[in-house]
Amino acid sequence: SQELEQSPQSLIVQEGKNLTINCTSSKTLYGLYWYKQKYGEGLIFLMMLQKGGEEKSHEKITAKLDEKKQQSSLHITASQPSHAGIYLCGADRYSGGSNYKLTFGKGTLLTVNP
Amino acid sequence: DAMVIQNPRYQVTQFGKPVTLSCSQTLNHNVMYWYQQKSSQAPKLLFHYYDKDFNNEADTPDNFQSRRPNTSFCFLDIRSPGLGDAAMYLCATSVQGNQPQHFGDGTRLSIL
Repeated sequence: SQELEQSPQSLIVQEGKNLTINCTSSKTLYGLYWYKQKYGEGLIFLMMLQKGGEEKSHEKITAKLDEKKQQSSLHITASQPSHAGIYLCGADRYSGGSNYKLTFGKGTLLTVNP
Repeated sequence: DAMVIQNPRYQVTQFGKPVTLSCSQTLNHNVMYWYQQKSSQAPKLLFHYYDKDFNNEADTPDNFQSRRPNTSFCFLDIRSPGLGDAAMYLCATSVQGNQPQHFGDGTRLSIL
């Protein structure tokens, strides 16, 4: 099965600081997703990466997939309290026919202090 | 506008008393998923429907069943809830299997 390791497990930063969260896979990634979850709520889709070297940005959040497609990073520039939450990476795992499944990393808890 | 709607947000049931959680979608997506998420853990896939085709995870307890009467609705039935079934249950949809999943806000299930 696809193992996804996220680091760090938790992160506390001061508002305005930059930060990076990493997601490392034991296997080649064919579809890598980043989600954000606030406590007690569902997951919000942030970005999807498929190609080696791909980089996508949305507002102050940038995600990259390395050339070998085994590691992804999520970078937040000038963090704000609204960025606080749990960030989860997920990877597609093909399970036959038209079926794919998402396996998730354990998440990174981000706290942003005003 | 909410696109994946889960009801209720909070559900309390008694040990052993059957309970049904519901999920509806306005996205007309082919695939619907049910996940179980326990505190401080990643979501764990229970089963999914690709259109009408049901796909059960090997380690999903027999206690858990699902129904998808039409494209828009999917239900999670827990026949005899045990204390270990207390969790957040998340419903998600996607156009097809290898596309982003869109999640509802979840139903938090408590067992008394």
